[in-house]
Amino acid sequence: DIQMTQSPSALSASVGDRVIITCRASQPIRKWLAWHQQKTGRAPKLLIYQASTLETGVPSRFSGSGSGTEFTLTISSLQPDDVATYYCQHYSSYPWTFGQGTKVEI
Amino acid sequence: EVQLVQSGAEVKKPGDSLKISCKTSGYSFTTNWIGWVRQTPGKGLEWMGIIYPGDSDTKYGPSFEGHVTISADKFIKAAYLQWNSLKASDTALYFCMRPGPSQYIEYWGEGTLVTVSS
Repeated sequence: DIQMTQSPSALSASVGDRVIITCRASQPIRKWLAWHQQKTGRAPKLLIYQASTLETGVPSRFSGSGSGTEFTLTISSLQPDDVATYYCQHYSSYPWTFGQGTKVEI
Repeated sequence: EVQLVQSGAEVKKPGDSLKISCKTSGYSFTTNWIGWVRQTPGKGLEWMGIIYPGDSDTKYGPSFEGHVTISADKFIKAAYLQWNSLKASDTALYFCMRPGPSQYIEYWGEGTLVTVSS
């Protein structure tokens, strides 16, 4: 199985800060990576797929980059509504696997 | 609009059987994969498996093969997750999910909480 490792596990930042979350795959996955946001008590929600393509309706302050084994999710200007846990997920091959999550607080 | 509507929370005893459902609407059920993800505090999100309702081709995550059964009813347009003998360790929140055209998880159900306790 491909292991996905996120860092940091948690972070606290101020409104307006730039936030960067990193995800590393244990073997190359090209650009087959998605980012999901999960707010407390809710289902996850797709933010980004194919490493850098923003899902329709997702604010432009979210962006993704990377390929191969190193990926990042960037929130350019953190907003109160962004308080959530963020997960990376590869879909390069079965079984798909998730990172352990990064909890973002303000 | 794509909708995935899951069945309600369940409380079961060890050894019980259970089948939870995910009823779909708003897209072609038989030509899109649909699957399940487990969430626990200890292990986070885990991909359990996926089924193609058109021909019932099913893929399972290694931790789940042999322990659960994923099925689909193309007439009702619903997917199912079934256990024959529940364990306390099956206590979790279960999400159904539907991949997009390039197989990323595009849609999520709201989740079904399963509690297994004696």
